Amino acid sequence: AQSVTQLGSHVSVSEGALVLLRCNYSSSVPPYLFWYVQYPNQGLQLLLKYTTGATLVKGINGFEAEFKKSETSFHLTKPSAHMSDAAEYFCAVTRNTGNQFYFGTGTSLTVIP
Amino acid sequence: KAGVTQTPRYLIKTRGQQVTLSCSPISGHRSVSWYQQTPGQGLQFLFEYFSETQRNKGNFPGRFSGRQFSNSRSEMNVSTLELGDSALYLCASSLGGGNNSPLHFGNGTRLTVT
Repeated sequence: AQSVTQLGSHVSVSEGALVLLRCNYSSSVPPYLFWYVQYPNQGLQLLLKYTTGATLVKGINGFEAEFKKSETSFHLTKPSAHMSDAAEYFCAVTRNTGNQFYFGTGTSLTVIP
Repeated sequence: KAGVTQTPRYLIKTRGQQVTLSCSPISGHRSVSWYQQTPGQGLQFLFEYFSETQRNKGNFPGRFSGRQFSNSRSEMNVSTLELGDSALYLCASSLGGGNNSPLHFGNGTRLTVT
C-alpha cells in the first residue's frame, strides 16, 4: 500500500528564511516521488520529481528535495523564501507500475514580510 | 503546447441534478485522471482512464462516473448531486503507459451544489 504523510498542515517562514516542508512515504516497492505546488484558484503545478538516479533533485523556482530511503523521506527545501512562494504544497507518490498517484494532505506555506 | 483544459471553470447546481465536466488533455497524453479536492479531505482520487479504458478507480460511489474518448478527451459525470459533492474537480493528464510520467493538471472546475 502507498501513502504519504506531510507533517505540518501550515508552515510560516520569514522572507529570506529557509523553507523546509516535510514528506514521509510508505511504500512496499521503490517509490517515485513528486512535489507539486498549488496557487489559489489554480491546478497543481509540478515542482520536481524523483524517479531513479541522483537522490538530490532540483526543481523549479529554486526548490530542491532529497530522497532518503533509510528515512523514507522526501523533504522539500528552498534556501531563501520569497513572497511568491506562498501557496499550498503537495507531496505525491506512485509505484513503478501503473499510474495511480497518492497525495499527501498538503502544507500551506505562508511567507511573512 | 497547450496545457490541460477543463470546462466549465465554475458550475452551480442544485441537489438531485446531474453534471458533466469536461477535460482536454495535453496533446499526446493518453492517460487522464480525475481528483476531487475539498478543504477537509484534500485530494481524493476518482478514476484514471488510459486509451478509453478505466484503469484505476478510487473509493467513490457509483454516482461518479467517467469516460474517455478516442482523442483522449475525458468527461466526468456526477448524478443525483448531494451538497457534499461541492468541491474543486481537477483533471490531470500524463503520458501514462506505466512510465510514471508526472501528472499535468488543469485549473479545475469549481462545483457548488445548493
